[in-house]
Amino acid sequence: QLQLQESGPGLVKPSETLSLTCTVSGGSIRSSSHYWGWIRQPPGKGLEWIGSLHYGGSTYHNPSLKSRVTISVDTSNNQFSLNLTSVTAADTAVYYCARLAVREPRGDVWGQGTTVTVSS
Amino acid sequence: DIQMTQSPSSVSASVGDRVTITCRASQGISSWLAWYQQKPGKAPKLLIFAASTLQSGVPSRFSGSGSGTDFTLTISSLQPEDFATYYCQQANTFPITFGQGTRLEIK
Repeated sequence: QLQLQESGPGLVKPSETLSLTCTVSGGSIRSSSHYWGWIRQPPGKGLEWIGSLHYGGSTYHNPSLKSRVTISVDTSNNQFSLNLTSVTAADTAVYYCARLAVREPRGDVWGQGTTVTVSS
Repeated sequence: DIQMTQSPSSVSASVGDRVTITCRASQGISSWLAWYQQKPGKAPKLLIFAASTLQSGVPSRFSGSGSGTDFTLTISSLQPEDFATYYCQQANTFPITFGQGTRLEIK
């Protein structure tokens, strides 16, 4: 059974870089049929897609986050990562990693989520 | 970006009721729409994809319909475990976008 688990600091200072890793277990990240993505949810608000990547190299980002987002894959460790630079309080959220189908991207497997607070 | 608008934002209903939630896309997305259920403190759970295809393991009281710009999620007979927030998501083009959510509360 495929499982995803987010990890990373729960507290990040303003203007610094938020870095999270998602570890995939019970299956391979080298799936031609799936993207691996990040979605976030600010406290009390809805879901916002951050970006997705395919292990083969294709990446897609939310233009609202401009050039602050980098998503990368580590196939040797079956992980993918999120870097979000120049964070502000508006980046405080629960961050989820998820698997999405390439054809009609929908999140069919999700991590439990990790809370990241941006504060000095 | 494709904007997704759900209505209502919240709805109160009783166990056994039939409930319908609507999602409208700002431009046509064919049938590339998914629905999720989210309970407090939990990750979203995929209920329906391709507008009307039930994800494995999801009870048959959930159904979806629509194409183009207008979609609906129907719960035929509410159960206590169905009280949650529901989101639609368009899967037609990047960037992926979600509706703002519909909170389903117990009357």
